[in-house]
Amino acid sequence: QQQVKQSPQSLIVQKGGIPIINCAYENTAFDYFPWYQQFPGKGPALLIAIRPDVSEKKEGRFTISFNKSAKQFSLHIMDSQPGDSATYFCAAGLNYGGSQGNLIFGKGTKLSVKP
Amino acid sequence: EPEVTQTPSHQVTQMGQEVILRCVPISNHLYFYWYRQILGQKVEFLVSFYNNEISEKSEIFDDQFSVERPDGSNFTLKIRSTKLEDSAMYFCASLIPGQINTEAFFGQGTRLTVV
Repeated sequence: QQQVKQSPQSLIVQKGGIPIINCAYENTAFDYFPWYQQFPGKGPALLIAIRPDVSEKKEGRFTISFNKSAKQFSLHIMDSQPGDSATYFCAAGLNYGGSQGNLIFGKGTKLSVKP
Repeated sequence: EPEVTQTPSHQVTQMGQEVILRCVPISNHLYFYWYRQILGQKVEFLVSFYNNEISEKSEIFDDQFSVERPDGSNFTLKIRSTKLEDSAMYFCASLIPGQINTEAFFGQGTRLTVV
């Protein structure tokens, strides 16, 4: 009930490609879905987050697609760059009080963007 | 830009010893969290802290762990008697609730190595 399943585990794309990372959750009570980006030796940094009142959210080259009925959400990175090479974590939680910090994380996707 | 600060960046300790990991959350934040990340694995929630008490904790956060906000700025995680399996990156995070787009900000982490 509390799991967030993330795939693929790793991903290699050429510069300019559009990597897609998928996540699925089980707990229908979740209503906050952030994506975090982590570079080696650093802490996770929020990239973009979506709440289930919308099916898509775009910020710059990053887009989240959300399918509430399927309990799935995905991250697309348009025109990917070598600097996007990092580990990406999806997460899920509740959108009230301080619960946006009490998150269930996926296992992460290590993205490599080749020049 | 305000940030969550963690010290030390790396701590090596002998099995059975007590360690205290320190965090300075962002100054106007009210919710505080500890997470851990075993090497190569996902980020796991340990505990959340609000209004000077634990608000939620995970199964990982057993009696060996404790948290404290000893003054107005620091937030600490104590592991009473470290085990080899406590070796991990420990991340502190903080959040200001009540905003529409609130998010948890993570520190850079403390790498704990138990030998």
